[in-house]
Amino acid sequence: DSGVTQTPKHLITATGQRVTLRCSPRSGDLSVYWYQQSLDQGLQFLIQYYNGEERAKGNILERFSAQQFPDLHSELNLSSLELGDSALYFCASSQDNEQFFGPGTRLTVL
Amino acid sequence: DQQVKQNSPSLSVQEGRISILNCDYTNSMFDYFLWYKKYPAEGPTFLISISSIKDKNEDGRFTVFLNKSAKHLSLHIVPSQPGDSAVYFCAAVTNNAGNMLTFGGGTRLMVKP
Repeated sequence: DSGVTQTPKHLITATGQRVTLRCSPRSGDLSVYWYQQSLDQGLQFLIQYYNGEERAKGNILERFSAQQFPDLHSELNLSSLELGDSALYFCASSQDNEQFFGPGTRLTVL
Repeated sequence: DQQVKQNSPSLSVQEGRISILNCDYTNSMFDYFLWYKKYPAEGPTFLISISSIKDKNEDGRFTVFLNKSAKHLSLHIVPSQPGDSAVYFCAAVTNNAGNMLTFGGGTRLMVKP
């Protein structure tokens, strides 16, 4: 158990819809990261927040957005969903270089 | 442009033997490297890391070697156990870029009893 929690575990929705994925970091970790893993591919960095502020941005689509709240939990919002957005979405948190990952949310867009 | 590459998508070894997983990178700004292990339906689990100022780091059965001049790192697992069967990802960090991890594509290790 990494101490990072993600909800929901699975999400099935239709094209064009909007979903919100939630992440609670390990206690004391200020940094939260979001990654996407599409089928049989490596993890792609999406975005990082540090203590409520956006710190770094990766290959995140304009249809996607994220935020980190004062209690340090984070949400990833995915809108106008397309079939290709079906993937595993992982959240990670860290205090330094080692990032600890949550169990992921599997998103299926039908 | 893949900055971190794991050229072997899969590797099969016999229990008790050594597993060697390789990783190459192109960005000379990377200064910290990590290995993660991933089981199906779970998040990646941190295994071992190495700073660019070192060339070796050991933790039990796991040793990571870094060759900066070749931009190459490897993970050695000895002796390999069936429970080591998983997908292994190497990742690299540039500390002045928000600590984001750049992952390789992963190598599926199968340890046969």
